[in-house]
Amino acid sequence: GESVGLHLPTLSVQEGDNSIINCAYSNSASDYFIWYKQESGKGPQFIIDIRSNMDKRQGQRVTVLLNKTVKHLSLQIAATQPGDSAVYFCAVMMNTGFQKLVFGTGTRLLVSP
Amino acid sequence: ETGVTQSPTHLIKTRGQQVTLRCSSQSGHNTVSWYQQALGQGPQFIFQYYREEENGRGNFPPRFSGLQFPNYSSELNVNALELDDSALYLCASTTGLGREPTDTQYFGPGTRLTVL
Repeated sequence: GESVGLHLPTLSVQEGDNSIINCAYSNSASDYFIWYKQESGKGPQFIIDIRSNMDKRQGQRVTVLLNKTVKHLSLQIAATQPGDSAVYFCAVMMNTGFQKLVFGTGTRLLVSP
Repeated sequence: ETGVTQSPTHLIKTRGQQVTLRCSSQSGHNTVSWYQQALGQGPQFIFQYYREEENGRGNFPPRFSGLQFPNYSSELNVNALELDDSALYLCASTTGLGREPTDTQYFGPGTRLTVL
């Protein structure tokens, strides 16, 4: 199986700072990882993903880093804005012949002006 | 927005009752998955449907069942409701074949179910 854990339940930052949210997974055979953002009253929103054959992937203001050696995943948000305040989940896609996402417990990002 | 809609938004039921939750995906989204999200937790996989057939299931009892229809809508049915079934129920759809790990899943806003 797979278990996913996040290092901090809450992260508080100032507007304009860079944010780093960390995640650990257990199954070294996992090969696809996704970060989701969930705002209050909404479903999870896809942010960025990465395959296990990559170490780093960049999007608009976001970067995902994957360290397969220690089974660690991180999401970096540059120049954090108040609109980034939400709960962030890392999820691992289980390669079971069908799509099963295993989610961590989430980190709440609080951005103060 | 993701183009995935769910109804109703909120629902209150009593223990022992049955409930049906609905999801409508975008045209072409042949795969739909359902997740249960308890308060303060990450979503947990219930099951997945591809072209009207269940093709994967998580650790949920048989009283959780589903249907998928040709018009890209689907249902989650829960019988004999228990207090612990209180949660946000999410559906997610994808254009993929349901077997490729990189097919992005798009989530709906969820249905908040409260069991009293």
